[in-house]
Amino acid sequence: GAVVSQHPSWVICKSGTSVKIECRSLDFQATTMFWYRQFPKQSLMLMATSNEGSKATYEQGVEKDKFLINHASLTLSTLTVTSAHPEDSSFYICSVTDNLNTEAFFGQGTRLTVV
Amino acid sequence: AQSVAQPEDQVNVAEGNPLTVKCTYSVSGNPYLFWYVQYPNRGLQFLLKYITGDNLVKGSYGFEAEFNKSQTSFHLKKPSALVSDSALYFCAVRGGRGTGFQKLVFGTGTRLLVSP
Repeated sequence: GAVVSQHPSWVICKSGTSVKIECRSLDFQATTMFWYRQFPKQSLMLMATSNEGSKATYEQGVEKDKFLINHASLTLSTLTVTSAHPEDSSFYICSVTDNLNTEAFFGQGTRLTVV
Repeated sequence: AQSVAQPEDQVNVAEGNPLTVKCTYSVSGNPYLFWYVQYPNRGLQFLLKYITGDNLVKGSYGFEAEFNKSQTSFHLKKPSALVSDSALYFCAVRGGRGTGFQKLVFGTGTRLLVSP
């Protein structure tokens, strides 16, 4: 299966600053990547679908100006949390799907803590 | 829209005993069903999937799942639990082609606790 790498694994930032999270597909060209958010003891909620070379598609209720997604190449998508606030603290996970869209592969996740 | 229900927040089982983690789904068209496992502060690891074919699907680490179309269920099972199986398990569904196919919808997760 595809190998997906997320960086950083964890980050602590001050309120008001921006944080960038990278998601790399190491052995697979991914035209589509997905970004999820997971609150403690809760399920994964899809935030947005990242499309290579075009704008991301955001789920209802997700602020696109708050969570900037860039998918400039077939192997890299980035999620930038702008003007972070404590309520943005969460576990963020990216994933890619295989060419047949039958299986999803996940990064190891990024724990964001905003203080 | 597709949805997944995992009715149990936690399942407790003694090591060596069989385990079952329940999952029911709702989707238009033929479902693509998945089970993933998550260890603390880690991403999700794929266990198994059902796309088509035999209703009993065998996956990683000795896990298996049975697809039951009439009951719209896809319960995860293992004949003999290990302490190392203790983790958070997610069931997920993707709708059949033409119905939001790419989106993977997750259940709320079930914590499995295997006692020695």
